[in-house]
Amino acid sequence: DPKIIQKPKYLVAVTGSEKILICEQYLGHNAMYWYRQSAKKPLEFMFSYSYQKLMDNQTASSRFQPQSSKKNHLDLQITALKPDDSATYFCASSPRLGGWAEQFFGPGTRLTVL
Amino acid sequence: QQQVRQSPQSLTVWEGETAILNCSYEDSTFNYFPWYQQFPGEGPALLISISSVSDKKEDGRFTIFFNKREKKLSLHITDSQPGDSATYFCAASEGTGGYKVVFGSGTRLLVSP
Repeated sequence: DPKIIQKPKYLVAVTGSEKILICEQYLGHNAMYWYRQSAKKPLEFMFSYSYQKLMDNQTASSRFQPQSSKKNHLDLQITALKPDDSATYFCASSPRLGGWAEQFFGPGTRLTVL
Repeated sequence: QQQVRQSPQSLTVWEGETAILNCSYEDSTFNYFPWYQQFPGEGPALLISISSVSDKKEDGRFTIFFNKREKKLSLHITDSQPGDSATYFCAASEGTGGYKVVFGSGTRLLVSP
């Protein structure tokens, strides 16, 4: 059974539009994260949440807004999409905040912005 | 400026050979170095890690060699198998309690049967 579900697997959007990337984890973890992996940059940390509260934001742009409606959900809303936003976005979780050794990554959502 | 650099970008070895993946870093505050394995269509998964107080860490066919003075490390995969074909990321962190990890660009390994 999938431990972290990310939906959709592939997403194509037009410049200027808005999309929401879905992440659900069924590991019982209390911390969740978003990472981005693009062709131009290595995998990079974006956000961390602990017990549904934002703990760290390493994303400069306010166009990226995480949303946690439930303990095991952390969606990522991206507004005013740009071609440079094209990347694979990975959701991850861990039992508690911190501890990269305990992080488990989801399969990712590949976003293409035309 | 990349803080963690990996080479080569891609590597092909024959089944049974030893694959050597290289990594170097800039920041002296890094003291933990995890390696991740990523298969196509999947997220990265922690494979093996080493702390800066060690110069070698072994786990089955996977061994990390670490040179603190030169800020270099390498991942050796002995008796490479086709199932080892994946992208390997070297990463760096300031501690085990932190979630912030700096990743390298990865080495794509292909093991030919």
